Amino acid sequence: AQKVTQAQTEISVVEKEDVTLDCVYETRDTTYYLFWYKQPPSGELVFLIRRNSFDEQNEISGRYSWNFQKSTSSFNFTITASQVVDSAVYFCALSVHRGSTLGRLYFGRGTQLTVWP
Amino acid sequence: DAMVIQNPRYQVTQFGKPVTLSCSQTLNHNVMYWYQQKSSQAPKLLFHYYDKDFNNEADTPDNFQSRRPNTSFCFLDIRSPGLGDAAMYLCATSRETVSDTQYFGPGTRLTVL
Repeated sequence: AQKVTQAQTEISVVEKEDVTLDCVYETRDTTYYLFWYKQPPSGELVFLIRRNSFDEQNEISGRYSWNFQKSTSSFNFTITASQVVDSAVYFCALSVHRGSTLGRLYFGRGTQLTVWP
Repeated sequence: DAMVIQNPRYQVTQFGKPVTLSCSQTLNHNVMYWYQQKSSQAPKLLFHYYDKDFNNEADTPDNFQSRRPNTSFCFLDIRSPGLGDAAMYLCATSRETVSDTQYFGPGTRLTVL
């Protein structure tokens, strides 16, 4: 079975602080994909990143960075120098490559990030 | 810009009165998905179309139906909305399945009175 755990329900930081959102996943499949989505108050889910299970390179995109570690089944997301506009719910998700689960995204419960000015 | 469009953004209906939500895409993607998201919860997949092939999730109530008349459009029909169906409904598309990223529309927030 597939499972994604985002243990942090809510995080509050002050602007310019760095913040890390944790994501731990479970799967027995060797081929899988990990995603992060941002959901601002408007409701739209905005795609941030996709990572396949064979690519453990960390990635940086501006103030965003992702740390993928298969050894700990984690795919953590760090925002550097946070801004008020980063306030949103962030979802980590997993999809696996087989059978009837094609196309299914397994979402974590999300982390509500609030950045205060 | 290519995108996923959902109309209306807000929908109010009465208990038991059928309602249809629409989704269109300009991405020319093969797969379209409907998700239900209740407050403070993760999105829950209701069903998806791979081209014209319909795939229903096992726990999706019969009250929910979907139509995809062509590549660009997909509809969610709720035949007899109950109070428990009040939620955000999200449409998503992907080029193929599994490895491809799902791109989401802005959602339709449904209120049932």
